[in-house]
Amino acid sequence: AQSVTQPDIHITVSEGASLELRCNYSYGATPYLFWYVQSPGQGLQLLLKYFSGDTLVQGIKGFEAEFKRSQSSFNLRKPSVHWSDAAEYFCAVSGTYKYIFGTGTRLKVLA
Amino acid sequence: DAGVTQSPTHLIKTRGQQVTLRCSPKSGHDTVSWYQQALGQGPQFIFQYYEEEERQRGNFPDRFSGHQFPNYSSELNVNALLLGDSALYLCASSLDLAGVSYNEQFFGPGTRLTVL
Repeated sequence: AQSVTQPDIHITVSEGASLELRCNYSYGATPYLFWYVQSPGQGLQLLLKYFSGDTLVQGIKGFEAEFKRSQSSFNLRKPSVHWSDAAEYFCAVSGTYKYIFGTGTRLKVLA
Repeated sequence: DAGVTQSPTHLIKTRGQQVTLRCSPKSGHDTVSWYQQALGQGPQFIFQYYEEEERQRGNFPDRFSGHQFPNYSSELNVNALLLGDSALYLCASSLDLAGVSYNEQFFGPGTRLTVL
């Protein structure tokens, strides 16, 4: 079955520290993978996407993600977190006709 | 270029009532999908409409129904509302390209439904 797992429900980091959010997927064919960010009461904003090619993908707001087929992972990283990055982050894989989302990771940033 | 738009932004209903949510797809798109995002959860696929027909459906009861119009806009209807239907409802549009295995979806801002 197609699925996405985000093992960390909550993550707290200090401002300026590095960040890595984990995402593991289960999908039989070539996966199309996404990371979205959602601020409280807001809709989804696309951070980055992976279709094919270079396994290191650059996105907006200084985020990047690395696709590792052997580990079925698509982890999101940022070298230096800003207080405005506090939000909920969702990883998703595109199935036939639909997107399958993880349950999200809530990021808290300490000043 | 207008993106995906949804109306209304917020809605409050009472149990047992019926609600209709609306979505206009991104210009040039012909496919609309609906998702439900309960508090603290990721979005869950409800169904997708293409050529005015429901093409695929997620694990939602028949109380959830939809419609797509000739201009590709779509409605989501929920009957006999339950407290558990309180959620953010997201619409996403895409362009169906024959022979392409993947069509990227673009999400709207959502409609927040509160059922009292």
